Amino acid sequence: AQKITQTQPGMFVQEKEAVTLDCTYDTSDPSYGLFWYKQPSSGEMIFLIYQGSYDQQNATEGRYSLNFQKARKSANLVISASQLGDSAMYFCAMREGPGSGYSTLTFGKGTMLLVSP
Amino acid sequence: EADIYQTPRYLVIGTGKKITLECSQTMGHDKMYWYQQDPGMELHLIHYSYGVNSTEKGDLSSESTVSRIRTEHFPLTLESARPSHTSQYLCASSEQGRSRRDEQYFGPGTRLTVT
Repeated sequence: AQKITQTQPGMFVQEKEAVTLDCTYDTSDPSYGLFWYKQPSSGEMIFLIYQGSYDQQNATEGRYSLNFQKARKSANLVISASQLGDSAMYFCAMREGPGSGYSTLTFGKGTMLLVSP
Repeated sequence: EADIYQTPRYLVIGTGKKITLECSQTMGHDKMYWYQQDPGMELHLIHYSYGVNSTEKGDLSSESTVSRIRTEHFPLTLESARPSHTSQYLCASSEQGRSRRDEQYFGPGTRLTVT
């Protein structure tokens, strides 16, 4: 079974509008971390935001926020006030186990976001 | 924030050649990783290391090999390149035990084309 599922291959949004990118995950480990990365056309991966399984509040980093619904196993990324530079591929990823341990990341298939003027 | 470097950025090479993709980081991170990514697709972990003299195979089987003789250096080698090896290779690193997040910082990638 897929550990990370991103059901939206592509999303379109107009500049200055908000957009939500979906991510669901599957794990039986009580300790895990969820990450979102942005990959522009240049190819590098840029870390955006992190949510730990024990975090009480949803994570926020500037225009990025994470809508974490633990019972539904979803960790959707919300980008407020979209900008043209937000056009990129977005990947959701999960680390199973505590961050201090020996663990790796599993990535979803990604969502391509296109922001139009 | 980590500084992580990959060379070359682009490589076009003929079938059967031996190649080494270089990856270096300057932050003293213990953990390093290699991912393979086809255009527009997800990343697949092919190798990782928890420290010097430690190497592990990832989820995706790969004909490449890695070594970790120095903390800052994690090269990937293909003994005999084939067209099926054409892909982007991304190197990443993270600190072990110091950050509960354990976020990975990525290099710019190497786009490999084998003709």
